Formats: sequence, structure tokens, C-alpha cells
Amino acid sequence: QVQLLQWGAGLLKPSETLSLTCVVYGGSFSGYYWSWIRQPPGKGLEWVGEINHSGSTNYNPSLESRVTISVDTSGKVFSLRMSSVTAADTAVYYCARVELAKNVFDYWGQGTPVTVSS
Amino acid sequence: DIVMTQSPDSLAVSLGERATINCKSRQSVLHSSNNKNYLAWYQQKPGQPPKLLIYWASTRESGVPDRFSGSGSGTDFTLTISSLRPEDVAVYYCQQYYGTPLFTFGPGTKVDIK
Repeated sequence: QVQLLQWGAGLLKPSETLSLTCVVYGGSFSGYYWSWIRQPPGKGLEWVGEINHSGSTNYNPSLESRVTISVDTSGKVFSLRMSSVTAADTAVYYCARVELAKNVFDYWGQGTPVTVSS
Repeated sequence: DIVMTQSPDSLAVSLGERATINCKSRQSVLHSSNNKNYLAWYQQKPGQPPKLLIYWASTRESGVPDRFSGSGSGTDFTLTISSLRPEDVAVYYCQQYYGTPLFTFGPGTKVDIK
């Protein structure tokens, strides 16, 4: 059974850098893309970006200038860094697996709430 | 950007009755290479991550009850819950894979019991 476990700092000040990590248990790491998705309080879902096992990335153009997604295949781990955060980046951040044949998110992490406040 | 809209924003349905949610894409999500609509539906309950229900517009994910069905093609899609159960109270999102950005979601439809 595939499980995604994520963690990271939950409270940031404006202009700081958000850093989250997601580790994958079970299943294969290669052959999939691995995504970050966020959800502001009471709002809908926004795709942030994705990475595969070899480090190939795709980002949401609206966030690309501030986002870096990296991978450590030795530990089936991928990470999100987002620089210069503002209150608008306050959200629950989810990691998720992209099932490539269907282009859907079939396994999700538990979510990490991140608050940006001075 | 491919913008997704959903209607209604919320609906309340009696137990055992049908719930219908619509999703519209600003441009077609039908991929000519394989004639598949890359449109998915998710269910999200409070405090939980979304759960995949439907992909390719009408294919149920393994383990999803058959009271959930999807239909549509091109730009217009529908999720139907044929007979609402208490555990179906949730927010439902459609999601497309096609253009830029690669993935976009609809704003969500909240389903409650009348």
C-alpha cells in the first residue's frame, strides 16, 4: 500500500522560505510524477508543481519564479521550497502521486498547514 | 490557463435522492491522441485530503461505489450520485489535465443533506 508522509515548518514570517518534505512508503518511486498541491483556508485546490524520479520538473507558471521542487531518490523523498512567502501563501499543502496513464492524483499525503503571519 | 467552473456552488439533497454536479472547461480536455477526456472528480471531506473518484470523465477508481458516475466530453461534464448516502456529504472537485498549468481544479461543489 502506498503512503505519503509529509512534514515541514507550519508558521512563517513574510519573506521567509517555505520548506516541506514528503516521503513515499510502498510502491515504486520511478514511473510516476510527484506533486505538491495547496489549498488556502476555505478555498479550492491549486497545483503547485511536480517532479519525477530523475528530477524533471513542471511548475505552475503563476508560482514558478518562487518554487523549487527537488528529489532524493535514495530515500524516495521529494521536497518543496517556496521563497519570499506572503500571507497569500497561507494554505494546507499536500503532496500527491501523479498516476501518469490517467493524469490524476491517486495517493495523497495528510496535508501540512502553513501559516504566513508577521 | 484552462479555467474550470462548477455548478452549483452547493446543493442539498434528501437521502436516497440524486445529486448532480456540473463542471465546465473553458476549452476542450479531449486528447485527440487517444480520444480520452482528461477530466477527474475528487471528493473531499473536512480535514482530509481529496479522494479520487472518477478519471477519464467516466471511469470509476477502484473501490468507489457504483452510485458515483461521471459523464460528458469536450468541455462539459457531470458527476452524479444516484442515491445520496450520509457519508457522501463532502465537497466535490473536478480536475483537468491538458494545458498550462498542467493541472487545474474547479472551485468545488458542497453537497449536504436536505
